[in-house]
Amino acid sequence: KAGVTQTPRYLIKTRGQQVTLSCSPISGHRSVSWYQQTPGQGLQFLFEYFSETQRNKGNFPGRFSGRQFSNSRSEMNVSTLELGDSALYLCASSLTGNSYNSPLHFGNGTRLTVT
Amino acid sequence: AQSVTQLDSHVSVSEGTPVLLRCNYSSSYSPSLFWYVQHPNKGLQLLLKYTSAATLVKGINGFEAEFKKSETSFHLTKPSAHMSDAAEYFCVVSEGPGSGAGSYQLTFGKGTKLSVIP
Repeated sequence: KAGVTQTPRYLIKTRGQQVTLSCSPISGHRSVSWYQQTPGQGLQFLFEYFSETQRNKGNFPGRFSGRQFSNSRSEMNVSTLELGDSALYLCASSLTGNSYNSPLHFGNGTRLTVT
Repeated sequence: AQSVTQLDSHVSVSEGTPVLLRCNYSSSYSPSLFWYVQHPNKGLQLLLKYTSAATLVKGINGFEAEFKKSETSFHLTKPSAHMSDAAEYFCVVSEGPGSGAGSYQLTFGKGTKLSVIP
């Protein structure tokens, strides 16, 4: 069974630009969640989608947005990029999004560098 | 509200010696607790999870963790370290069904980098 696939693996953008990251979950998984990982702040939850609906959102500005398609694939968008947005962005999928009985499976991430 | 504290940012052990990575948590409800491992330039892989069943949880690659409610701890151990264990380890808490959280938002510890000396 294929794992979680994130594209692209690496991205370099300039301040003020916008970027879209893509995540394909494991087949059959309906929940996709996104995390930002930086050396200073560690891993922080961005948002979670289930069946095309955003169910939960972390404490990030509105420049960070996402969506989920009917095939469960998800995209994350960051507008008006800032230097501080440089990070590894991780996507995770799970069957139900209920971590109590449906653990997360992570992709290898997209490394975003903002210059 | 929930939080996780990993007590050591870096642990160094010799190959073949025991590993202990410490984690304390705080949660208003009965939590689920997890340990994930991250190798360089990779995503996170689930090592083990505690979800209110047995307090001693066995995971993959010989790791285990013990849930101690009185000490609010969930330390990760392995009897004998292997070179391939060198990675970063994250302790994670998710509040349980009683919290009312719809999708069990996770809170991650800051991570512990494990180095294994040959």
